[in-house]
Amino acid sequence: QKEVEQNSGPLSVPEGAIASLNCTYSDRGSQSFFWYRQYSGKSPELIMFIYSNGDKEDGRFTAQLNKASQYVSLLIRDSQPSDSATYLCAVNLYGGSQGNLIFGKGTKLSVKP
Amino acid sequence: SQTIHQWPATLVQPVGSPLSLECTVEGTSNPNLYWYRQAAGRGLQLLFYSVGIGQISSEVPQNLSASRPQDRQFILSSKKLLLSDSGFYLCAWAGTGGQTQYFGPGTRLLVL
Repeated sequence: QKEVEQNSGPLSVPEGAIASLNCTYSDRGSQSFFWYRQYSGKSPELIMFIYSNGDKEDGRFTAQLNKASQYVSLLIRDSQPSDSATYLCAVNLYGGSQGNLIFGKGTKLSVKP
Repeated sequence: SQTIHQWPATLVQPVGSPLSLECTVEGTSNPNLYWYRQAAGRGLQLLFYSVGIGQISSEVPQNLSASRPQDRQFILSSKKLLLSDSGFYLCAWAGTGGQTQYFGPGTRLLVL
């Protein structure tokens, strides 16, 4: 069974610190990887996607992908209380037009002022 | 820009009653459309997806059904709700051939 695993947390970091969120996936053939942020009671919103091994930076966010080790991570620099949310990792197994994503259960992040 | 709408925002229904949730997308043509359910303490579960009008693929056999009567309209239905149908229902869209999915605001359903 194809799975995406995340530590449920909660992960607690002080304001201004770096938050590191990790995700592992079971299918070695997975093509693309997504991070979504979900505030309590709200729908998920896309933060970043990454397709190639290495790092991808967007503002305070950096996604890291290592296909050989089958993990993807999200780093949040200078964490703010407004970053407190559940972060969902999603993996596209096929890379094609179907675009079916498998989601992890999410990691809850708490940033303390 | 593209916008996705869902209604109603919240719904309380008795067991055995019917269900109809609607999702519409603006600002794009021929999107891929998806229905997910997020139950308390569980991850997002893909229920149905559609790559075009009248084309529905089911991921999980259950008492729910989906229809796509128009290009940018996606409907989730049930003839008789079960207690286990309670959850947060999310509609998402992706561009044709695209992989990135964008979610609507969701419908919170409570079956009593």
